Amino acid sequence: QVQLVESGGGVVQPGRSLRLSCAASGFTFTDYGIHWVRQAPGKGLEWVAFISYDGSHKYYADSVRGRFTISRDNSKKMLYLQMNSLRAGDTAVYYCAGLVAANSFDYWGQGTLVTVSS
Amino acid sequence: DIQMTQSPSTLSASVGDRVTITCRASQSISTWLAWYQQKPGKAPNLLIYKASTLESGVPSRFSGSGSGTEFTLTISSLQPDDFATYYCQQYNSYSRTFGQGTKVEIK
Repeated sequence: QVQLVESGGGVVQPGRSLRLSCAASGFTFTDYGIHWVRQAPGKGLEWVAFISYDGSHKYYADSVRGRFTISRDNSKKMLYLQMNSLRAGDTAVYYCAGLVAANSFDYWGQGTLVTVSS
Repeated sequence: DIQMTQSPSTLSASVGDRVTITCRASQSISTWLAWYQQKPGKAPNLLIYKASTLESGVPSRFSGSGSGTEFTLTISSLQPDDFATYYCQQYNSYSRTFGQGTKVEIK
């Protein structure tokens, strides 16, 4: 079955960096672009970033552009989110997700919590 | 960027009620719209895609309609398991946008 498993969350001080990882299994990883979506405590869903199936195209939300970098390693079936210059407003559960597109492939991980606090 | 405006933000209803949630896009997105249900502590679950196509395994009491900039999600007869938060999401572009969410509460 399709699985996306995030890791790397934790408590980090403002201004510091953190790298999230997402391990994929149960599907042909190289067939799909993958997204990061976040949800601040008690708030709604916010799209963060997308990377195409081959890593050649990347898109970011205005709120993270220039600070976050999405990448993938297809040989390892892994997705990453490098987060630099973290702010309190980046505190959220971060999900990796294969969101619906021209097909109905739509799967989410369980999420990993990032808390930015001094 | 495409903005998605969802209403209402909260909805109080009883079991058996017909419930409608609206989502408006800031520009035309054709039918590139999905609806999700989210329960506390869980990842969102896809209900409807391409504005009106029911995802496999989703009960038929859920339906979606609309195109262009105006979309609706309807639950024909609210069931106890349906009390949750619902989000629309546009996928007209690689940069996705979610609506603010609608929490469906027990009246």
